[in-house]
Amino acid sequence: AQKITQTQPGMFVQEKEAVTLDCTYDTSDPSYGLFWYKQPSSGEMIFLIYQGSYDQQNATEGRYSLNFQKARKSANLVISASQLGDSAMYFCAMREGTGNQFYFGTGTSLTVIP
Amino acid sequence: DAGVIQSPRHEVTEMGQEVTLRCKPISGHNSLFWYRQTMMRGLELLIYFNNNVPIDDSGMPEDRFSAKMPNASFSTLKIQPSEPRDSAVYFCASSLYGSGANVLTFGAGSRLTVL
Repeated sequence: AQKITQTQPGMFVQEKEAVTLDCTYDTSDPSYGLFWYKQPSSGEMIFLIYQGSYDQQNATEGRYSLNFQKARKSANLVISASQLGDSAMYFCAMREGTGNQFYFGTGTSLTVIP
Repeated sequence: DAGVIQSPRHEVTEMGQEVTLRCKPISGHNSLFWYRQTMMRGLELLIYFNNNVPIDDSGMPEDRFSAKMPNASFSTLKIQPSEPRDSAVYFCASSLYGSGANVLTFGAGSRLTVL
């Protein structure tokens, strides 16, 4: 089974609107970390936000928030007030337990329309 | 901090040639990862090191690939001989294993084209 599933290959959003990128994960370990990365067309992988499995509150970083629903095993990324510069590939990732293995999803391509 | 430094940023070579990619992790990080990204296969983990020791190299495609980490501030990924199917972007990343979040920080990548 896939550890990380991103079911949206491509998404479009109007500038200034909010958008949600979906991510589900699969693990039986009670301790894990969830990450989102942005990869613009220039190619670098940029860390956006982190959520620990024991964190009580959803993580937020500026316009990014992580909608963490533990029972559903989902960790959706919400981008508020989209900007043209948000157009990029977005990858969800998980690290299980105390290990150092990171599992990445296949990514979602986001296009912000002016 | 300068971040994870990779070189070269771009490499074009001919089939059969040796390719060496280099990586300097973030100072103080104790884990280093080599990933390969292609359109067909996405992001693949090739190998990772903890405290300069290779922990998992099950992602290394075949014996043509080798990676070393002689010290905490330097790692190489070597392909010998190179083949056209090795064309990809190779990322190095580092993290502080044992820290709370253990965030993976990526370098800018090395784009390899094998003709």
